[in-house]
Amino acid sequence: AQSVTQLGSHVSVSEGALVLLRCNYSSSVPPYLFWYVQYPNQGLQLLLKYTTGATLVKGINGFEAEFKKSETSFHLTKPSAHMSDAAEYFCAVTKSGGSYIPTFGRGTSLIVHP
Amino acid sequence: DAGVTQSPTHLIKTRGQQVTLRCSPKSGHDTVSWYQQALGQGPQFIFQYYEEEERQRGNFPDRFSGHQFPNYSSELNVNALLLGDSALYLCASSPGTGGNQPQHFGDGTRLSIL
Repeated sequence: AQSVTQLGSHVSVSEGALVLLRCNYSSSVPPYLFWYVQYPNQGLQLLLKYTTGATLVKGINGFEAEFKKSETSFHLTKPSAHMSDAAEYFCAVTKSGGSYIPTFGRGTSLIVHP
Repeated sequence: DAGVTQSPTHLIKTRGQQVTLRCSPKSGHDTVSWYQQALGQGPQFIFQYYEEEERQRGNFPDRFSGHQFPNYSSELNVNALLLGDSALYLCASSPGTGGNQPQHFGDGTRLSIL
């Protein structure tokens, strides 16, 4: 069975500082990995995804993530936080091939201080 | 280009009642998935519909059932409501059932059980 662990239910940064949100996964087969963002009272919006190919993927709003198979990680980063980045972030995994049931992490709330 | 739309936005029910939630997928999408998001948690996969059939199912009891119509819209039905069914119910659509397809989410239906 696949699973996702997001370390830290809350991450607090200052505006302009580096953002690092951690995600580790377990999967018996090569995974497909996603990061989503959720603003209050809204659904989830795709930030970026990794399926195959280049392990460093770039997404919207300046975010990027690197797939590291040896570390089973897919951490999300942004060089400089903006106040508008304050939201809930979810890492998700599905497996390649055959049937899939997407598994989401419990989420990390990003707090940005002025 | 309309995204995923869900109705109603909010719903209040009492224990034992039945509820129906509705979803229209993003234009061009033929696959609809339903998720339950409890407060402070990540979305949990309920089931997925494609070609008017349930294709995948998560770990939810038979009280949760669904339907997909020829125009790809979908309904989620929950019978014999329990207090624990209180959550945000999210509908997501995608072009096909592949695990590499990102989900496009609606803003959800907030269901409260009294």
